[in-house]
Amino acid sequence: DAGVTQSPTHLIKTRGQQVTLRCSPKSGHDTVSWYQQALGQGPQFIFQYYEEEERQRGNFPDRFSGHQFPNYSSELNVNALLLGDSALYLCASSFGTSYNEQFFGPGTRLTVL
Amino acid sequence: QQQVKQSPQSLIVQKGGISIINCAYENTAFDYFPWYQQFPGKGPALLIAIRPDVSEKKEGRFTISFNKSAKQFSLHIMDSQPGDSATYFCAASNEGGSEKLVFGKGTKLTVNP
Repeated sequence: DAGVTQSPTHLIKTRGQQVTLRCSPKSGHDTVSWYQQALGQGPQFIFQYYEEEERQRGNFPDRFSGHQFPNYSSELNVNALLLGDSALYLCASSFGTSYNEQFFGPGTRLTVL
Repeated sequence: QQQVKQSPQSLIVQKGGISIINCAYENTAFDYFPWYQQFPGKGPALLIAIRPDVSEKKEGRFTISFNKSAKQFSLHIMDSQPGDSATYFCAASNEGGSEKLVFGKGTKLTVNP
């Protein structure tokens, strides 16, 4: 049983560019959450998707957007990249919207030059 | 506003010793308190979690102690091993874990042989 998978593993972009990160949830999971983890910090919640809708959103600007597909996989898009967007982007999946644990993927390391 | 405060920032213990990491939260609506273990270059892995209806939960060498009135919880690692060397994050959420996780800043644990 595959866990949460993310692609790509690493990514290097320059300021102003746009990036798309991808996540496939653990088998049987239908809810996907995205987190940003800056170096030496704890993960910070970006948003959560359930039934192809954004269910919750953290304190991130509109440059951060997402999508969930009918097969429950998800994308995170970041526009107009800033140096400060350099971080490990983590995807977590869970089942439903109540009382279920979140399982994290290995993350995508984004470097903005 | 940091809603979960974690201490210490780093911890060094000898093999066989007890590692203790503490967290305090502010939001009384939180009802799920997990601990995650993260190795360099990897995503966080759920270690153990507790809900506020119990004061302690033990799984193997890992124990969570929970004090609802003080709004504090802690992780105890008994018989610490060099393989336990990692960064540990406490977190909290509503809806039993399905809502956004709010993380502490992490504790880097080093277990010396």
